[in-house]
Amino acid sequence: GDSVTQMEGPVTLSEEAFLTINCTYTATGYPSLFWYVQYPGEGLQLLLKATKADDKGSNKGFEATYRKETTSFHLEKGSVQVSDSAVYFCALMNSGGSNYKLTFGKGTLLTVNP
Amino acid sequence: NAGVTQTPKFQVLKTGQSMTLQCAQDMNHEYMSWYRQDPGMGLRLIHYSVGAGITDQGEVPNGYNVSRSTTEDFPLRLLSAAPSQTSVYFCASSSDRDNQPQHFGDGTRLSIL
Repeated sequence: GDSVTQMEGPVTLSEEAFLTINCTYTATGYPSLFWYVQYPGEGLQLLLKATKADDKGSNKGFEATYRKETTSFHLEKGSVQVSDSAVYFCALMNSGGSNYKLTFGKGTLLTVNP
Repeated sequence: NAGVTQTPKFQVLKTGQSMTLQCAQDMNHEYMSWYRQDPGMGLRLIHYSVGAGITDQGEVPNGYNVSRSTTEDFPLRLLSAAPSQTSVYFCASSSDRDNQPQHFGDGTRLSIL
C-alpha cells in the first residue's frame, strides 16, 4: 500500500537558519504530493502541493520539488522565522480522484528559536 | 467563510459512554473524511464519504460509525467509548475535482477515562 516516510523530529533551529525536512514515499501510480502545516492548537493547513513529476510547489518561502526518480518531496526554506514553529506533515493522494484519502507521514515538529 | 466546523472542541467521556462528534462544511464539497491524530502516528483515516448517502471504512474504522444524510454534515459516532479512542479527531472535506487539497477543521480533542 501507499506510505510516506518523513524525517523524525523534533528539529530545532535558530532564526534565519536553512530548513530541510526530508520526505520519501511509496505509492502505485502517479500520486499528488502535499505538505501540510499544523500550528499549535489548530487544524492542518495546506502549505504547498505538486501534482506531477518535476513540479515545484511553493508558498510562504517554503519549496518542495516532486522527484519521481528518488520518490521524494523534501521541504526546504532558506531562512526560517520563529513564526514557522509548527508540525509539518508530508502527505500523498493517489491518482484517480481519491480526494477523500490522504496518506500522511508521522509529522515533524519544528521549533525556531529567536 | 466558515470552511469546516467541528464541535465540540474538547470532550471528556467515561469508558462505555457514547457521543457524536459533529462536522459541517459550507463549501459544497462532495468528499468528507474523518481522521484521528495520535502522537508519533501522523493522521489515520477512520471513515470517509464520497457523497450524501455513501460512506466507507478507512484504515482504523473499528469502534466508530458514520452517516452522511446531507452534503454539509458528516457526524462521527462513538457507540461505546474506550480509552484507546483518546485522540484528536479531525474532519476534512474536499472537492471531487482531481488533485484538490483537503480542508481541515480545527479538531476535537477527546479524552476517555
